Amino acid sequence: KAGVTQTPRYLIKTRGQQVTLSCSPISGHRSVSWYQQTPGQGLQFLFEYFSETQRNKGNFPGRFSGRQFSNSRSEMNVSTLELGDSALYLCASSLQGWDEQYFGPGTRLTVT
Amino acid sequence: AQRVTQPEKLLSVFKGAPVELKCNYSYSGSPELFWYVQYSRQRLQLLLRHISRESIKGFTADLNKGETSFHLKKPFAQEEDSAMYYCALTPSGGYQKVTFGTGTKLQVIP
Repeated sequence: KAGVTQTPRYLIKTRGQQVTLSCSPISGHRSVSWYQQTPGQGLQFLFEYFSETQRNKGNFPGRFSGRQFSNSRSEMNVSTLELGDSALYLCASSLQGWDEQYFGPGTRLTVT
Repeated sequence: AQRVTQPEKLLSVFKGAPVELKCNYSYSGSPELFWYVQYSRQRLQLLLRHISRESIKGFTADLNKGETSFHLKKPFAQEEDSAMYYCALTPSGGYQKVTFGTGTKLQVIP
C-alpha cells in the first residue's frame, strides 16, 4: 500500500509569513502525528490527531496549529514564522496512535 | 510525564566491533518501547519493538524495568548499520503520544 506522503517537500519562506504543510496518511490509519526535527533537538512532538480530534499536544507555541479532515489527511499551519522554525517537519501515521509510526519523507522548511 | 534519554549523540565503532546504543526512560507505568532508524536519505522507520522480542538486522534490545533501560545491541557492526537511531516510548493503554529520544548517530568505521 502507498506510504505516507507529505507536500510540499521543500519550502522557503520569510520571517512573518505563514505556511501550511500537508500530510496524507496510509489508507486506514486514523492517527496522524507531527514532529519537528532539528540537528540539535532531535524529534520534537508537535501534536497528534485521531479521527479529526487533536488528542495530544506538545510544548510548542500557539503559532503552530493543525487539523485533520474526515479522510484522515492532516494539515499543519505555522503563523508568523521565525528563523528558529527552520526544520524538517515530519508526519507519521498509525492505526491507533500508540503503535508503530509510519513516517513520511518530511517537508524541509527554511525561514529567511 | 514520560521521558526518553539517549546519552550519546554520536557513537563511532569499527566494523566487526560490538555495538550498544543506550536508551533510558522514565515512566511510572508499563511502557511500550521501540527503536526507530533513519538511514541516510531514507525515511525514519521502525527497527524493532520490545513486545515482539525479534532480532532485526542482527539487532536486539531487552527491556530492563529495574534499570529502566532499553539498550540496542549488535554483536558485530556492519558499515550499513551507520544511521541515526531513535529510542521511543509509549505508555501502555493507549491514547497517549509517542515520546522520542534525541537520537544517537552510529558511525561504523571500515
